[in-house]
Amino acid sequence: DTGVSQDPRHKITKRGQNVTFRCDPISEHNRLYWYRQTLGQGPEFLTYFQNEAQLEKSRLLSDRFSAERPKGSFSTLEIQRTEQGDSAMYLCASRTGQSNQETQYFGPGTRLLVL
Amino acid sequence: KNQVEQSPQSLIILEGKNCTLQCNYTVSPFSNLRWYKQDTGRGPVSLTIMTFSENTKSNGRYTATLDADTKQSSLHITASQLSDSASYICVVSALDYGQNFVFGPGTRLSVLP
Repeated sequence: DTGVSQDPRHKITKRGQNVTFRCDPISEHNRLYWYRQTLGQGPEFLTYFQNEAQLEKSRLLSDRFSAERPKGSFSTLEIQRTEQGDSAMYLCASRTGQSNQETQYFGPGTRLLVL
Repeated sequence: KNQVEQSPQSLIILEGKNCTLQCNYTVSPFSNLRWYKQDTGRGPVSLTIMTFSENTKSNGRYTATLDADTKQSSLHITASQLSDSASYICVVSALDYGQNFVFGPGTRLSVLP
């Protein structure tokens, strides 16, 4: 499967714990995006990378959230001291970045539940 | 403020019927508009993409229209199937908006037998 993959698919954690999600984009896709989606809503932008550089972060991304893409390939999103409000689907997407008209390919998402 | 609105919020139709979903946006300067289909618990999948100069784009039973003057788009689904049950998300891209994509809240479509 050469699509965007995310791991884990589901995560249940207790409030206050740290969690880390991984995203493997489509090979040779330079741009990688993280989104958060709550039930009945569209995805909300969190951050994006051009290769290993994190170019933009949303105001939604509090200091408890950190994302990395150390080698310009896979990316990790860490949430520290999780809160119940962090419960959501975390989506990763990628594209080459060569054209504004190209499709953004999404992974299956990681569903987080904070108890 | 760049925003995308969609209507209706949810829709229930019978299998075989047609339906039309609406999208209004205030994103500027406009680059392109996309419609995505998102099955429950899955990531969105692209259906169509239209640029400023395109009025309509088809993908099988899905036909999207764009009126860049009124900043409106529609997605028409013909002869609906049970597998069309999903959320349909309108996404608008701005030329100078850093992360490039503004997502609508989606329309939840349920197709009943």
